[in-house]
Order: sequence, then C-alpha cells, then structure tokens
Amino acid sequence: AQSVTQLDSQVPVFEEAPVELRCNYSSSVSVYLFWYVQYPNQGLQLLLKYLSGSTLVKGINGFEAEFNKSQTSFHLRKPSVHISDTAEYFCAVSPPGGSNYKLTFGKGTLLTVNP
Amino acid sequence: GAVVSQHPSWVICKSGTSVKIECRSLDFQATTMFWYRQFPKQSLMLMATSNEGSKATYEQGVEKDKFLINHASLTLSTLTVTSAHPEDSSFYICSGPDTRGGYTFGSGTRLTVV
Repeated sequence: AQSVTQLDSQVPVFEEAPVELRCNYSSSVSVYLFWYVQYPNQGLQLLLKYLSGSTLVKGINGFEAEFNKSQTSFHLRKPSVHISDTAEYFCAVSPPGGSNYKLTFGKGTLLTVNP
Repeated sequence: GAVVSQHPSWVICKSGTSVKIECRSLDFQATTMFWYRQFPKQSLMLMATSNEGSKATYEQGVEKDKFLINHASLTLSTLTVTSAHPEDSSFYICSGPDTRGGYTFGSGTRLTVV
C-alpha cells in the first residue's frame, strides 16, 4: 500500500518570497510522484512529475521538486511566488509502469500568497 | 495533448432525481478512467475505476447502485448519481491516463442536490 503525507495543511507567504511545500510518501515499491495544483472549483492541473532519471524536476509556472529516495520525500519549491500562485496543491503517488494504476493523493496544502 | 473534457461543470438537481456526468477524452483513447469525489477543503477520494467494455471497479465503501459508471467507448466514461440526496452534493472529478506516464483531469462537476 502507498500513502502520501503533506506536512502542512496551510502555508501563508508574502509575494516574491520563496516557498517550499513538503511531501513525504510511503511505499514498499518504487513510485511515480506528482504535484498538482487546484484553483477554486476547477480540476487538477499537473505542475510536474517524477518518473525516473534526474531527481530534480522542473515544472510549469516556475515550480520545481526534488525526489529524495532516502528520505522518501518530494518537496515542491518556488523561489519567488506570485499572488496568482494562491491555490491548493496536492502531492500524489502511483505505482510505476503505466497510467492505468490509480493515484494516491495527499490531503493537500493551501498556499496563500499575500501582498 | 491528453485533454479530458468533463460536463456539466455544475448542476443543481432535486432530491430523488438522477444526474449524469460525462467525461470525454478528446485526443486520446482511454481504456481506463478514474472517478474521484472531493469534499470541501479536502483531498480527492477515488470512487471507482471505469474500464472500457467491462464493469467498473469500485473502492471500498462506495455504493455501486448509487454511483453507476459506464465506459461504453474508448473516449467516453459516465458517472450517474442515482436517486440523489443532499449528502451526495460534492465536487466530482474524472481522470484519464495521458501518454507520458501521468494523468490528466477533467475540470470537475459541482453537484448540488436540493
């Protein structure tokens, strides 16, 4: 079984400050890792994903994440946030090998960027 | 590529009626689609996995007779909430596999049962 823990339910930051949203996972097998963003009353948009290869993954909107196997973490970072980054962020894992396997989501982190 | 179109985006229905939500893969074929439910300020809960041409696989605790899933073609999966009640009010989201090992999501359906 797999599980995902997002350590912070809410993260308030000021505009142009750096931010890190934390994600830890538990799995007995290797995993694929994902970060999604959700704006109010909308579906999920993929920010980035780690399938294999380089542990530093760059995504859209200036976000990046680093896969750390020893610490079973996949923290999301952005060096300078904007007001428009205010949203809910979800970390998710799936077994490797194809998209026919279901995703397991964390509980989400609400990022609020204040002026 | 890998776009999923979900309709309607919102719907209000009377208690006791049924509501159908459609999820279409626009530029790819999906043998598998996933249906999630999201309560306010909570994460996504997987309800079921629809399989083209066969029965859906429901997660534990999800009522099969209330949430009917049909995956009649490689581009269309539907979720029908039967005899809806206020407690079924929620945000429902579908998802399909993209071609690069990930998943693409519909824009969601806000169901309100009055």
